Amino acid sequence: AQSVTQPDIHITVSEGASLELRCNYSYGATPYLFWYVQSPGQGLQLLLKYFSGDTLVQGIKGFEAEFKRSQSSFNLRKPSVHWSDAAEYFCAVGEEVGNEKLTFGTGTRLTIIP
Amino acid sequence: DADVTQTPRNRITKTGKRIMLECSQTKGHDRMYWYRQDPGLGLRLIYYSFDVKDINKGEISDGYSVSRQAQAKFSLSLESAIPNQTALYFCATSVVGWGYNEQFFGPGTRLTVL
Repeated sequence: AQSVTQPDIHITVSEGASLELRCNYSYGATPYLFWYVQSPGQGLQLLLKYFSGDTLVQGIKGFEAEFKRSQSSFNLRKPSVHWSDAAEYFCAVGEEVGNEKLTFGTGTRLTIIP
Repeated sequence: DADVTQTPRNRITKTGKRIMLECSQTKGHDRMYWYRQDPGLGLRLIYYSFDVKDINKGEISDGYSVSRQAQAKFSLSLESAIPNQTALYFCATSVVGWGYNEQFFGPGTRLTVL
C-alpha cells in the first residue's frame, strides 16, 4: 500500500527566507505526486504535480518541487517566502492511471514571522 | 461561482442524529470523492464514485454512506452521528481523460458532533 510521510509537523520561517518542506513516499510503481496548500478556513489548492519527465517541477505562487526516485522524496521549495504563504501544506501520492485515489501525508503547518 | 460547492459549510449536531452533507459540481467531472480531515492525520478517503452507477469504499467508510444522485451531485450521510466523526469534510472531483487526472476540492464542511 502506498504511504506518504511529512516528517515536519510545524515549520517557522522568517519572511524572505528560503523554504523546504519534506515529503517521502512509499509506492511500488511510478508515483504520481502532488503538493496541495490549505490556507486557513479554505479548501485545498493544487500547487504542483509530478507525473513523469523533468524531475524539477514548477508550480504556482513561486513554488517548485524536485522528485528524487533514489530517495523516494518530493520536497517542496520556495526561494523567498511571503507572509501570505502561511498555511498548511500536504503532499499526496496517487495510484495508477484509471484508479486515481490519493493518499495524503499528515501535513506541515508553515508559520511566517516578520 | 465556485466549481465545487459543499453544503452546509458548518454544522453542529448531537450524537445519534442523521446528517447529510452535500456536494455539487459544475465542472462536468465524472469522478467524485469524499475525504475527512483530522488534525495530525491529514486527509483520508471515505468513499469515491467514478460514475453515477459506481460507488466504492475508501479507507474509512464505516459509519458513513453515500449517494450519487447525478453526475453533479454526491452526498455523504452519517446515519447515526457520533462524536469521533467531528472533522472537516471535503468533497473533490476529477475528470476522466488521458493520463493522470488531478482532483479539485470544495471548500469543506466543518461538522461537530456533540
